[in-house]
Amino acid sequence: AQSVAQPEDQVNVAEGNPLTVKCTYSVSGNPYLFWYVQYPNRGLQFLLKYITGDNLVKGSYGFEAEFNKSQTSFHLKKPSALVSDSALYFCAVRDAQTGANNLFFGTGTRLTVIP
Amino acid sequence: GAGVSQSPSNKVTEKGKDVELRCDPISGHTALYWYRQSLGQGLEFLIYFQGNSAPDKSGLPSDRFSAERTGGSVSTLTIQRTQQEDSAVYLCASSLALQGAGGNTIYFGEGSWLTVV
Repeated sequence: AQSVAQPEDQVNVAEGNPLTVKCTYSVSGNPYLFWYVQYPNRGLQFLLKYITGDNLVKGSYGFEAEFNKSQTSFHLKKPSALVSDSALYFCAVRDAQTGANNLFFGTGTRLTVIP
Repeated sequence: GAGVSQSPSNKVTEKGKDVELRCDPISGHTALYWYRQSLGQGLEFLIYFQGNSAPDKSGLPSDRFSAERTGGSVSTLTIQRTQQEDSAVYLCASSLALQGAGGNTIYFGEGSWLTVV
């Protein structure tokens, strides 16, 4: 079975400081990992994904994430937070081995960047 | 179109009535998904369509929920005899085919916000 854990419901960070939103996953095979962002009253926007290759993935709006197989983690990071980054962030996984048809999402982490 | 289009964007309905939610996927995307997002919850998978294959209905919560996809493009999610617990955002998404390329990105629409009163 596949699962995703986002251990923090809420993350607060000061503008200009680095931010990290944590994600750990569980799959039986190799993972495909995704991050999405949801702004208020909007749908989900794709940020970045890890499929294979370089463990450090760069995405939209200056975000990046590092795939760590030994720790089964895919934490989202940004070197310098902006107030406009305040939103709900979702980590998602698909198991490459089982061929599951859907992405399995975490429960989301609400990021608040304080001016 | 440029993105996944959903309608209506907002729907308020009385308990017991039927509702239909429409999704128009990105042109050329053969895979289409419906998810549900309840207040304060994550995303719950409902149903998946891929080309002409039988849909994966494993996430539909009850037989009041059904979906179809006509002509391999537009999809309609129907909820019969709506209940208050059906109040949620219904998100449609699409992607290129998954077979052999499970890493294809899924793109979401803005959602249909359903309120059952």
